[in-house]
Amino acid sequence: GDSVTQMEGPVTLSEEAFLTINCTYTATGYPSLFWYVQYPGEGLQLLLKATKADDKGSNKGFEATYRKETTSFHLEKGSVQVSDSAVYFCALSDPGYFNKFYFGSGTKLNVKP
Amino acid sequence: ETGVTQTPRHLVMGMTNKKSLKCEQHLGHNAMYWYKQSAKKPLELMFVYSLEERVENNSVPSRFSPECPNSSHLFLHLHTLQPEDSALYLCASSQVGTGGNDEQYFGPGTRLTVT
Repeated sequence: GDSVTQMEGPVTLSEEAFLTINCTYTATGYPSLFWYVQYPGEGLQLLLKATKADDKGSNKGFEATYRKETTSFHLEKGSVQVSDSAVYFCALSDPGYFNKFYFGSGTKLNVKP
Repeated sequence: ETGVTQTPRHLVMGMTNKKSLKCEQHLGHNAMYWYKQSAKKPLELMFVYSLEERVENNSVPSRFSPECPNSSHLFLHLHTLQPEDSALYLCASSQVGTGGNDEQYFGPGTRLTVT
């Protein structure tokens, strides 16, 4: 079945450091891929998405490229800020089944000043 | 109101109580979802409603009873819960069948504590 695996955290970085959070997936069809972010005490917010191979999603300085050959969708940011501290979830959707989502386990990011 | 709203934001209940969680989406979507988020565990999909019909029930105990009276509202009725049911309950909505705009939009969640 479909699944998502993302790197375990927590990830601790200093402000302005480069961020990579790895995400790989297994899917039988042609899913869309997503990154969601969850700040403390809040629900999940869509950060970015990509709907087909080689698409790059980007938002707020974060980027991720849909790599079909490596079944990956790694999240990157060139210079993190303290305000980026949150939990990040990688996900894929199965559009043929009521948009059922498969989420990774989440990676907590701590950014220190 | 915009997006997906959930009430209450916090709920403390005893094991013999009956309570309900409410979710409302203002996005015109046709599918709604309940998730359970527990500490140190992956997000668990509980129920899916599409066009007001329940299409997925992931082996959820019968002490959780969902209701979807229309495409904008979703309830989760709770009774005789256990302490291990304490978690953040998230509601989400999406538009099914649009061939692209398939992201789910989440509410802020209800933090449930069972004593």
